[in-house]
Amino acid sequence: QSALTQPPSASGSPGQSVTISCTGSTSDIGYSNSVAWYQQHPGKAPKLMIYGVNKRPSGVPDRFSGSKSGNTASLTVSGLQAEDEGYFYCTSYASLNNLVFGGGTKLTVL
Amino acid sequence: QMQLQVSGPGQAKPSETLSLTCIVSSYSIRGTYDFWGWIRQTPGKGLEWIGNIHHSGSTVLNPSLKSRVTISVDTSKNQFSLQLDSVTASDTGLYYCARQTSLPPSFGFAYYIDVWGEATTVTVSS
Repeated sequence: QSALTQPPSASGSPGQSVTISCTGSTSDIGYSNSVAWYQQHPGKAPKLMIYGVNKRPSGVPDRFSGSKSGNTASLTVSGLQAEDEGYFYCTSYASLNNLVFGGGTKLTVL
Repeated sequence: QMQLQVSGPGQAKPSETLSLTCIVSSYSIRGTYDFWGWIRQTPGKGLEWIGNIHHSGSTVLNPSLKSRVTISVDTSKNQFSLQLDSVTASDTGLYYCARQTSLPPSFGFAYYIDVWGEATTVTVSS
């Protein structure tokens, strides 16, 4: 199984919106709606931000939203805030109950 | 509040076997839709899913690591373990244990990690 493809970096100014893409194949992202997104700050474990393509766990601000089209999933962060800075990773179900990660995107708030 | 804590030696020599255990507290690992997984974060590959196990003992392993990985569960101790054989320097990194939720299609199919433990650092060096 191959890792999902994410852009290495993304940036935006406070208050702006930024979208991070995650591209896979028909064997993973395109196969089901089991896409999740995680935020990771330095020295910390990843934190679940989105699951099931567009569902937010309790406590995650509604500034975070997810979507999917074909083999590509996207995470949009609206109303950027300084604390949104960090790394974002996508995951997807892959064939035979495997799980595959994206390479990660570093989000910088300018 | 569920907590996952990794224990085990943080160092291994090349060709040795790495063994880690994840102790789950304040939550039973016997949940029907709960799977218990291992993930690592290495400089070479970033975050990489290693595999998971159900309390029944059923495992799913990353094909790229399958030949070297064993995951086991001890429900009496509410813990699960990882064994990685024939380690090399490329296995150096942070190792996480986590809960992975797996819901069947009748429940709206879901497959994602929702609770992470703190990482343990593993260094492979002679």
